[in-house]
Amino acid sequence: GAVVSQHPSWVICKSGTSVKIECRSLDFQATTMFWYRQFPKQSLMLMATSNEGSKATYEQGVEKDKFLINHASLTLSTLTVTSAHPEDSSFYICSARGHITSSPLHFGNGTRLTVT
Amino acid sequence: SQQGEEDPQALSIQEGENATMNCSYKTSINNLQWYRQNSGRGLVHLILIRSNEREKHSGRLRVTLDTSKKSSSLLITASRAADTASYFCATDPNTDKLIFGTGTRLQVFP
Repeated sequence: GAVVSQHPSWVICKSGTSVKIECRSLDFQATTMFWYRQFPKQSLMLMATSNEGSKATYEQGVEKDKFLINHASLTLSTLTVTSAHPEDSSFYICSARGHITSSPLHFGNGTRLTVT
Repeated sequence: SQQGEEDPQALSIQEGENATMNCSYKTSINNLQWYRQNSGRGLVHLILIRSNEREKHSGRLRVTLDTSKKSSSLLITASRAADTASYFCATDPNTDKLIFGTGTRLQVFP
């Protein structure tokens, strides 16, 4: 089946620094990638949708200057958390889909971000 | 805002028993999907049911969809300890993005 690789699986950083999370589709072309955030024992909250070669579409309440998303190729999207604060600590999950919009999503294994 | 509400929030059963989880949503949909998440991991797609379908089976999974009530259920038969996970429904409200429900945490005791 389709594989999505997310890296790193966990990261600890200091307040004020930036962290980049990578999401790669290994065996298919990801026309669209989605970035989610998940708090403990809660559901996934969609942060933004990115299509290859175009700017990401952010959900209401998500700061685009803080959560920079780049989808430069059909196999790679990155999320950069800029000037991280402790409240940014969370589980970030990417997912990818091919060109058929009704097809299931393929998820990475998530990144646990802890900001100290 | 989240599209779906699921109940129960948590469910504990013994191996061999059946587990039923329910999902309600708010707007019209093209399809409804169920996903599973092991603790601290990404989600795995289980099954997709289209808006014109009423029931679908996949192995020990049975999904129903009632568009008039805007609800769906996921039944896991003959549960196993390995079924312990969180289960989420997800809908696409006529857009290209999926909105996830609140999830049900299932614990299956051996």
